[in-house]
Amino acid sequence: QITLKESGPTLVKPTQTLTLTCTFSGFSLSTSGVGVGWIRQPPGKALEWLALIYWDDDKRYSPSLKSRLTITKDTSKNQVVLTMTNMDPVDTATYYCARHYDILTGTFDYWGQGTLVTVSS
Amino acid sequence: QSVLTQPPSASGTPGQRVTISCSGSSSNIGSNTVNWYQQLPGTAPKLLIYSNNQRPSGVPDRFSGSKSGTSASLAISGLQSEDEADYYCAAWDDSLNGHVVFGGGTKLTVL
Repeated sequence: QITLKESGPTLVKPTQTLTLTCTFSGFSLSTSGVGVGWIRQPPGKALEWLALIYWDDDKRYSPSLKSRLTITKDTSKNQVVLTMTNMDPVDTATYYCARHYDILTGTFDYWGQGTLVTVSS
Repeated sequence: QSVLTQPPSASGTPGQRVTISCSGSSSNIGSNTVNWYQQLPGTAPKLLIYSNNQRPSGVPDRFSGSKSGTSASLAISGLQSEDEADYYCAAWDDSLNGHVVFGGGTKLTVL
């Protein structure tokens, strides 16, 4: 059974750095072709892809947010960490992590439940 | 402004067939496969269609996908009340070092 779960702060202040952790089970990020990505969704708005890391440590970022994002993995702990710097109220959203199926396809076959992050002073 | 363009809303009555379109460009839909996600109210998105027209295990065959050129479509036949949800298309985009792009979503209402 494949599961993913996001964890991190529910409230951050403007200009702070957000660190989110995705802890997963049921698959290994050392398996060829496997990736884990982050997607966010502001309240009432559309999904927005943020970042993706593959089994071979290949990393891809949203072009519009690339300067603020860092994605890393700890294969031994089955975790993927996303950091986003210089948080702003417009970054308020539910942040999801999801397993990426196949390579360079945009196919996320398993999703976490999401975690709501509010940016406010 | 999402890279992939979807109609903001769609509707149908139970039993009807509804289609949702997704328009992109040569760098995304034109050269890569399309995925569709269903998001029921208050829940995480769920993969509905992958590789243009493939259904993951457990997805009813009432849902089907197709692609032509730089556009794709999701069709739902035999519409049911539980199909009322937001639907998103997504694809890989080859530009700018490669990244994932989503559509703006379509809210499907079952009348």
